[in-house]
Amino acid sequence: AQSVTQPDIHITVSEGASLELRCNYSYGATPYLFWYVQSPGQGLQLLLKYFSGDTLVQGIKGFEAEFKRSQSSFNLRKPSVHWSDAAEYFCAVGSFSGNTPLVFGKGTRLSVIA
Amino acid sequence: NAGVMQNPRHLVRRRGQEARLRCSPMKGHSHVYWYRQLPEEGLKFMVYLQKENIIDESGMPKERFSAEFPKEGPSILRIQQVVRGDSAAYFCASSPPSAQAGEQYFGPGTRLTVT
Repeated sequence: AQSVTQPDIHITVSEGASLELRCNYSYGATPYLFWYVQSPGQGLQLLLKYFSGDTLVQGIKGFEAEFKRSQSSFNLRKPSVHWSDAAEYFCAVGSFSGNTPLVFGKGTRLSVIA
Repeated sequence: NAGVMQNPRHLVRRRGQEARLRCSPMKGHSHVYWYRQLPEEGLKFMVYLQKENIIDESGMPKERFSAEFPKEGPSILRIQQVVRGDSAAYFCASSPPSAQAGEQYFGPGTRLTVT
């Protein structure tokens, strides 16, 4: 069965510092991986996605993620965090067949301090 | 192109009442998914529908919950005889017929509070 693990429930970083959010997945075939961001009381916004090809993918708002098959990981990174990045971040995995449900991790809450 | 619309955004129901949540997918999208987010949890899949068909309801509780996506109009998630444990955020997502793997667009959610 597919599963996604986000080991960090809550992370606090200083504004301007770098950020890495961890995501590990379990999936029987080639995974299709996503990162979403959710601001308080809001819906989910897609940050980036990996389907195939280059294992380093660029997303919106200066985020990037690297797919590492050997480690079953898809960690999200940002070189310099802004206060507006404070939100909940969800990693998700989908299947090759386009129209199938996504499986989400439990999320990592990011706090940004001055 | 308007995004996925959900209404109401907030819904308060007393125990035993019915809750009806609506989702209008993006234009041209014929696939709808419903997810539930409990406090401090990620999103959990409930049901996947195409127009007039339920494709996968493996995540939906067997009792009190039902979903439909009629030929005309929004998709409806109905919860009968709500209980406090139904309090959650319910998100709808839509995708086009030829979606790339997992390409889903999410609505803003309906936050259901059962008192």
